[in-house]
Amino acid sequence: DQQVKQNSPSLSVQEGRISILNCDYTNSMFDYFLWYKKYPAEGPTFLISISSIKDKNEDGRFTVFLNKSAKHLSLHIVPSQPGDSAVYFCAASENNYGQNFVFGPGTRLSVLP
Amino acid sequence: GAVVSQHPSRVICKSGTSVKIECRSLDFQATTMFWYRQFPKKSLMLMATSNEGSKATYEQGVEKDKFLINHASLTLSTLTVTSAHPEDSSFYICSARAISGRSRDTQYFGPGTRLTVL
Repeated sequence: DQQVKQNSPSLSVQEGRISILNCDYTNSMFDYFLWYKKYPAEGPTFLISISSIKDKNEDGRFTVFLNKSAKHLSLHIVPSQPGDSAVYFCAASENNYGQNFVFGPGTRLSVLP
Repeated sequence: GAVVSQHPSRVICKSGTSVKIECRSLDFQATTMFWYRQFPKKSLMLMATSNEGSKATYEQGVEKDKFLINHASLTLSTLTVTSAHPEDSSFYICSARAISGRSRDTQYFGPGTRLTVL
């Protein structure tokens, strides 16, 4: 059973518009969430994180929203740029240090010029 | 930010040979390192969790005798693919998570190693 889900395998957005990537989780013990960006043939790069005590975290063009009651988080990228085209992974962890984050299957974002 | 390196970045070997991949945390100590495998157009698949000074914990379906993991120090973990076969061809990625007090440090990834077994 997949604990972290990203139901959209792909998303296309026009340059300058907002990209919204969604992530759902089933484990109510998850309390820390991250978003990673991955280009082909490279390791994932950390983008932004959010703790369960917050419902929003912003860093430049990237904002993550967390809805704990719905077990849902989303990553907003605005304005979207062609260089944002990549695969985005959502990841979550419980309050257990040293353990692996559980990753979603990823969403491929294509930003069209 | 924290830097994790992997060596080599790309390796081509003959079937039946063994290949060692190194993962290093360059500017922090990593008590725990993770090894992933990524198939084309697929998500990351966790292979094993490596803790410094102890045996690695392998995920279900991953052969521990096939994929040998050693976490010799707080900055180095190695993955050895033994008797490699063409089906082992894949993109292998390591990551490291630093624990400092009560902070929730991020898991940092290496750049990956492309293994091609002929």
